[in-house]
Amino acid sequence: DTGVSQNPRHKITKRGQNVTFRCDPISEHNRLYWYRQTLGQGPEFLTYFQNEAQLEKSRLLSDRFSAERPKGSFSTLEIQRTEQGDSAMYLCASSPGQGPSELFFGSGTQLSVL
Amino acid sequence: AQSVAQPEDQVNVAEGNPLTVKCTYSVSGNPYLFWYVQYPNRGLQFLLKYITGDNLVKGSYGFEAEFNKSQTSFHLKKPSALVSDSALYFCAVRDRSTDKLIFGTGTRLQVFP
Repeated sequence: DTGVSQNPRHKITKRGQNVTFRCDPISEHNRLYWYRQTLGQGPEFLTYFQNEAQLEKSRLLSDRFSAERPKGSFSTLEIQRTEQGDSAMYLCASSPGQGPSELFFGSGTQLSVL
Repeated sequence: AQSVAQPEDQVNVAEGNPLTVKCTYSVSGNPYLFWYVQYPNRGLQFLLKYITGDNLVKGSYGFEAEFNKSQTSFHLKKPSALVSDSALYFCAVRDRSTDKLIFGTGTRLQVFP
């Protein structure tokens, strides 16, 4: 399968714990995006990368969130000291470049913070 | 700031009837517009996009969308709905300056047999 892969599919954690998600984009895509989606809402932009460079972070992204794409391939999204409000579906997407290219999404990681 | 509005939370249609899911946008300059579909517990699947040219865009699964610059709309349409089309549909705009994809709140399409 050459689509966008996200792991794990589901994550249940206790409040205050740290969690890390991984995204493997389509191999030739140099842009990688993270979005968050809560029930009944559209995906909300979090951050994106051009190769290994993080180009933009949403103002809504607190300091507890950090994302990396160290070699311009896979990416990780870490949430420190999780809160119940962090419970959501975290979606990763990739695209071959800027402009009119569509984004290709993974199946997401569903986070539940108890 | 760029934004997308989907005025209907839910659209109900009988199988075999035409369907329309509405979307309006607000962005400076000429936009890139997209429609995505989401099935339960799945990521988003690309349906179609408008970049330039012909205002009627054809996409996957028999869907099409009509770009109307004067009304700043990009409504999704299908001539004959199927029960399997029941899903959550998202309109999105990609601003040429910021390059982010901004999504609407989604419209749930329910097709009844």
